[in-house]
Amino acid sequence: NAGVTQTPKFRVLKTGQSMTLLCAQDMNHEYMYWYRQDPGMGLRLIHYSVGEGTTAKGEVPDGYNVSRLKKQNFLLGLESAAPSQTSVYFCASSSWRDQPQHFGDGTRLSIL
Amino acid sequence: DQQVKQNSPSLSVQEGRISILNCDYTNSMFDYFLWYKKYPAEGPTFLISISSIKDKNEDGRFTVFLNKSAKHLSLHIVPSQPGDSAVYFCAASITGNQFYFGTGTSLTVIP
Repeated sequence: NAGVTQTPKFRVLKTGQSMTLLCAQDMNHEYMYWYRQDPGMGLRLIHYSVGEGTTAKGEVPDGYNVSRLKKQNFLLGLESAAPSQTSVYFCASSSWRDQPQHFGDGTRLSIL
Repeated sequence: DQQVKQNSPSLSVQEGRISILNCDYTNSMFDYFLWYKKYPAEGPTFLISISSIKDKNEDGRFTVFLNKSAKHLSLHIVPSQPGDSAVYFCAASITGNQFYFGTGTSLTVIP
């Protein structure tokens, strides 16, 4: 009963390093999302995808790239990490755009 | 600019009593609202929703009320249980568009 799985769960990076966060869902959902959660702020949408091969920008897309090569996977990339990207990242999926989203357990990312 | 606001960062309630969590929004075009519950080290899980054509929706111990004129919604939990201790997020959208989330309210239910 996996649902939405995020890897890794924790990561520490140095400024300027790159990395990719992986999100996998086994519910055959069309829509997938990447959010970040920062203290004192709600979840903010970074990028989303409405189906395999598609991506679109959310509220806070700068500094991130995404890819959805397979329906079940949604990757979030940081090309050159900055301390401002220290956050908890959540991936989510839904069967349709305005349906409740299923979330992964998050990735805590620290950039020094 | 925060379009969805939860002005109470925390709330403590005795077990068995009612918990009322509040949420305000600024965009009058929002027509679909959800509440999520989040335990530490886990992702948010969907709790209950309401569309703007209703002013109330119930699911067991959880009831969401929507006051469109005041741009306000609230989540009532009756009776509150210790297992309800979590962070609660409200979210709003214009149907078919992205959700905007509040900052969350941490509920502690005291046994």
